[in-house]
Amino acid sequence: TQLLEQSPQFLSIQEGENLTVYCNSSSVFSSLQWYRQEPGEGPVLLVTVVTGGEVKKLKRLTFQFGDARKDSSLHITAAQPGDTGLYLCAGASGGGADGLTFGKGTHLIIQP
Amino acid sequence: NAGVTQTPKFQVLKTGQSMTLQCAQDMNHNSMYWYRQDPGMGLRLIYYSASEGTTDKGEVPNGYNVSRLNKREFSLRLESAAPSQTSVYFCASSEWEGRVFFGPGTRLTVL
Repeated sequence: TQLLEQSPQFLSIQEGENLTVYCNSSSVFSSLQWYRQEPGEGPVLLVTVVTGGEVKKLKRLTFQFGDARKDSSLHITAAQPGDTGLYLCAGASGGGADGLTFGKGTHLIIQP
Repeated sequence: NAGVTQTPKFQVLKTGQSMTLQCAQDMNHNSMYWYRQDPGMGLRLIYYSASEGTTDKGEVPNGYNVSRLNKREFSLRLESAAPSQTSVYFCASSEWEGRVFFGPGTRLTVL
């Protein structure tokens, strides 16, 4: 069974601060995805990384896939209250047709 | 383009009752999934369908059945609901590259 360990579980910081969320596994994934989920809604895809060492940027969010394709990180620069939410990492194997393995999520609160 | 739609949004059942959760996608995706989300457990895969006409068990299939009615629709059935099945259920669909799109969820309570 593949597992994804996500840390931290909870994070509360002030507006303007930087933060990093980590997603680690002992398994290799063909791709890794990051989602953001707001209360009462389904997860929404933020980014997919597929190549070891790949870095993708989405405005103030930077996503990195580890060289060995076993881990990933999400870095937010100058966090804003609108970034508040549950962040989930998920790994796919063999194209992902047989489903994703999810981390347990990071609950992020950005205080104004 | 509605994406992934689910019905109902909320449901309360008594132990032993049955119900079917409906899901449809309009993105012409081959793969569809049912996940459940519980506090502290993350999202766990119940069943998936890699293509029309096929279904396979995921991590937590016990107590559930599924039907891939056609390419658009994938339903989840609880034959005899139990309190342990109280959860939020998400249907999802994906392209082959593994980009998954989720529905808004069904919040189920079993008393």
